[in-house]
Amino acid sequence: AQTVTQSQPEMSVQEAETVTLSCTYDTSESDYYLFWYKQPPSRQMILVIRQEAYKQQNATENRFSVNFQKAAKSFSLKISDSQLGDAAMYFCAYRPGTYKYIFGTGTRLKVLA
Amino acid sequence: DVKVTQSSRYLVKRTGEKVFLECVQDMDHENMFWYRQDPGLGLRLIYFSYDVKMKEKGDIPEGYSVSREKKERFSLILESASTNQTSMYLCASSASPGQGAFGYTFGSGTRLTVV
Repeated sequence: AQTVTQSQPEMSVQEAETVTLSCTYDTSESDYYLFWYKQPPSRQMILVIRQEAYKQQNATENRFSVNFQKAAKSFSLKISDSQLGDAAMYFCAYRPGTYKYIFGTGTRLKVLA
Repeated sequence: DVKVTQSSRYLVKRTGEKVFLECVQDMDHENMFWYRQDPGLGLRLIYFSYDVKMKEKGDIPEGYSVSREKKERFSLILESASTNQTSMYLCASSASPGQGAFGYTFGSGTRLTVV
């Protein structure tokens, strides 16, 4: 079965510091997409970053970057220079060649001033 | 700005009631989805639709049904609400992969309480 595991229910980071959120997934497919979504208290899910499995280069979006290890089936999110506005639930998601996503259970990130 | 709009932000219903959750998107997306979000369980797929009048069961369809009569609207129906259906419900839409879009666009969620 295809699964996505986020082993850290909660993380804390000091403002301006760097934090890494972990995500592992299980699949037998070779072509797929991986995503990180952010859900702030407003509840609106926002796409943070995405990675195509066939690309070896890690995706980056400003302060957000991923460490994609295809062989290890690992997809961690690094947030640099953390800001108070980064506080949210973060969900890792996997999408095979179909329309459906499989989500992890989420990591709550707290940013300490 | 593109939008997925869920009709209610908060809803309180009684056990046994028939409940309708409405979702409308203005992006001409082919695919629409209903997820349920519970603490510690993440998002679980209830139903999805990849075309008008088409629907497919997700991972937890029991106790739910859906309707998609128009491309922009996807309704989730709780036939007889029960307390274990108290949850956050998220609607999402996406274009077909062939259209070059990969991400979901989400609504703001409906927090449903069944008493």
